Parts: sequence; structure tokens; C-alpha cells
Amino acid sequence: ETGVTQSPTHLIKTRGQQVTLRCSSQSGHNTVSWYQQALGQGPQFIFQYYREEENGRGNFPPRFSGLQFPNYSSELNVNALELDDSALYLCASSLQTGVAKNIQYFGAGTRLSVL
Amino acid sequence: KQEVTQIPAALSVPEGENLVLNCSFTDSAIYNLQWFRQDPGKGLTSLLLIQSSQREQTSGRLNASLDKSSGRSTLYIAASQPGDSATYLCSLGGTSYGKLTFGQGTILTVHP
Repeated sequence: ETGVTQSPTHLIKTRGQQVTLRCSSQSGHNTVSWYQQALGQGPQFIFQYYREEENGRGNFPPRFSGLQFPNYSSELNVNALELDDSALYLCASSLQTGVAKNIQYFGAGTRLSVL
Repeated sequence: KQEVTQIPAALSVPEGENLVLNCSFTDSAIYNLQWFRQDPGKGLTSLLLIQSSQREQTSGRLNASLDKSSGRSTLYIAASQPGDSATYLCSLGGTSYGKLTFGQGTILTVHP
């Protein structure tokens, strides 16, 4: 158990809808990263939040957005859902200091299906 | 741009065999390399983390090596067991803010 919790575990949406996924980071961690993992692929970096600010972003369109709250929990929002957004969404928390910054602890993920 | 390749894509072995999973990467400017295990539909479990200055790490039946000059890492699993069946992912930490770049994974099946 990593101490990183994600909700919901499964979600079904239709094309064009909006979705919000939630993540609670491990106690003491100030950084949250989000990854998208399509079936049969490795996770792809979406973005990272550090102290409530976006701290880096992968190759994802603006309809993928996020928030980090003062307690370091985070949300991933996806607007105008497309069929290709169907994937496992993983949240990872870390401590943004020294060599620990790359040691990320992953949650169990949210499985999103877009119909 | 970092590219990570894992070979083989899938591997099926009988219980008790020793096996090697391979990971290659294109940019040697990395902070660390990490091997994860993923069970079907589940999140990622960290197995071994090798810092950029290190050459290998060991945990139980697992040994991971890192050769930055050749852009390669191997994960060695000794005396494989059916419980080792999972997808194994290699990831590189290569940026100042901690973004991880993953390979596509190797699907391992260990049959009794």
C-alpha cells in the first residue's frame, strides 16, 4: 500500500461529456503527477502539480486540466471526452526535494471508459 | 526526447527458470531508472530504483542493473514463480521536476 488513493475506481462516460478524477497523496508529499495508460501501453505523463501550480506538462491538449489543493490532494479534469480518452488514469505523489523528487508512489488508478 | 523500449514484449516460462527482462533508452541524461510491476487492471508497484550514480540494485530474487553509457538496463528474476506473473515496466526519471518516461512493458507469464 502506497498511501495514495484515487476515486472513483471505475467510471463510464459518453463522448462529449466532462469528467473529474480525484487523488489523495501520501502523507507529507507535496507533489502530484498524473499519467494516462491506454490498454497495452506504458503510462504517459499528463502533468504535475507542485504547491498548487502546474509544474510540467506532457503532450496532452488543454482539455486536460488539473488542480491541486492546499492539502496537496488533486483533481484531473477532462472536457469534451473522446473515445481515445478511455484508459487507466494513474496518480502518483512525491516529495519535491533532492533525489526524492523522482521517487513516485502510485495509486491503484481510475479506469475510464468513454462510449 | 527520451524513448524507452522494452524487450521482449511478452515472455512465457516454466516455474523455476531464471529470466532477464531488457530495457533500452535513448537519452543517458537521467536521474534514475525504476522497475515497476503491474498486475492486470491495477496500479504500479515499485520493485527497484537505481539512482544515476549507481550500477545495480538487488531485492530478494530481483536484481536490476544500469549501464548509462550503452543506454540499457536489465531486470533479472531468479527462480521464477507463478506469482511473478505480471507486466513489468521500466521508467526513466529524466527531468528536474520528476517526470517519468515509461516503456511499453513486458508481459511475463510463469506457468507451473
